[in-house]
Amino acid sequence: GENVEQHPSTLSVQEGDSAVIKCTYSDSASNYFPWYKQELGKRPQLIIDIRSNVGEKKDQRIAVTLNKTAKHFSLHITETQPEDSAVYFCAASKTYNFNKFYFGSGTKLNVKP
Amino acid sequence: EAQVTQNPRYLITVTGKKLTVTCSQNMNHEYMSWYRQDPGLGLRQIYYSMNVEVTDKGDVPEGYKVSRKEKRNFPLILESPSPNQTSLYFCASSLGFGGGSGANVLTFGAGSRLTVL
Repeated sequence: GENVEQHPSTLSVQEGDSAVIKCTYSDSASNYFPWYKQELGKRPQLIIDIRSNVGEKKDQRIAVTLNKTAKHFSLHITETQPEDSAVYFCAASKTYNFNKFYFGSGTKLNVKP
Repeated sequence: EAQVTQNPRYLITVTGKKLTVTCSQNMNHEYMSWYRQDPGLGLRQIYYSMNVEVTDKGDVPEGYKVSRKEKRNFPLILESPSPNQTSLYFCASSLGFGGGSGANVLTFGAGSRLTVL
């Protein structure tokens, strides 16, 4: 099956700096890569996703890049704010045979004011 | 309001006492799944269901059962809980198949924190 690895496990940045979280996957058939944000004590919520036919996707301060050849994808957050502090999970799945979701182990992002 | 509802939110039980965590969604989603969240391990899939009466194992199904008799409900059953099943459990649902935008987006419940003594 799929194996998703996520790094780093913790990340501390100063407010206004950028943050980058990286994930690798093992199954070249995976074609859907979402990112979920989980604030303390809350449920995970989708912040951005990308499909394998696209190399990059942006939504305001958040962007995701995908390198299919190297089988890795990254989350980029620019101009970080204290409310970005949370645990971020990457995941991999297949839209054409949608059954299993494979999540990374999570990155705890701390944005210092 | 579109949502996934889990109950109970918190539960302390003892080894061997059967329990059920309910999950219900009001979005007419086809796909439902259960995850457990443990520190350092992320979210691990227990079981999933692609439609009524269609269920299958995820990565960590041992010690759990599920059923999908109605489209909106997907209960998680622990027949004989053990301490290693102490965890935070999330139910999630999505539209399911299809490449359309949003079809694969998971909507999570608020979580159920289970402690097995």
